[in-house]
Amino acid sequence: DAGVIQSPRHEVTEMGQEVTLRCKPISGHNSLFWYRQTMMRGLELLIYFNNNVPIDDSGMPEDRFSAKMPNASFSTLKIQPSEPRDSAVYFCASSLGFRPGELFFGEGSRLTVL
Amino acid sequence: QQQVKQSPQSLIVQKGGIPIINCAYENTAFDYFPWYQQFPGKGPALLIAIRPDVSEKKEGRFTISFNKSAKQFSLHIMDSQPGDSATYFCAASFGYALNFGKGTSLLVTP
Repeated sequence: DAGVIQSPRHEVTEMGQEVTLRCKPISGHNSLFWYRQTMMRGLELLIYFNNNVPIDDSGMPEDRFSAKMPNASFSTLKIQPSEPRDSAVYFCASSLGFRPGELFFGEGSRLTVL
Repeated sequence: QQQVKQSPQSLIVQKGGIPIINCAYENTAFDYFPWYQQFPGKGPALLIAIRPDVSEKKEGRFTISFNKSAKQFSLHIMDSQPGDSATYFCAASFGYALNFGKGTSLLVTP
């Protein structure tokens, strides 16, 4: 059974460009999370969707970041315009249910903004 | 602020040793405490988890010890192997959101 699938795995872009990261959660999971991982701040929750509805976006750093979940099998995280401080590994994770059980993480998208 | 404080930041043990990673939290509403293991280039994966109604949980060579009064919990890896070399994250939650510690990089030498 396929796990959480993220694309692209690596993205190098220049400051000011738009970046779109994509995620396909595990089929049947109704909770989806976007996390950002950096050495300085560790794993930070950016946004949480339940049944395709954004429940908590308090972790989204600023208006440059936006996330959508148009259906149960697809989500995007967009950064526009990108800045060097956005360089990080972005993880998508999914789980079954509203209460935390096991989070299944994708392999991440490593973003480098020059 | 960091809701879960994890230590040490890095750890080196010899094969067969018992590395211990510690975490502390302040929010007494937390009721779920998992540990995740992450290998380079991969996402974190659930290793073992505990709820505060028990003081210890074992799964294979991995044990969580939980001290509710001290608001601390720890991961012990028995008979550690080079394949256990990874980054370990503790976490805590009371709802949908997991609050992660900053991670411990473990190296098990042959």
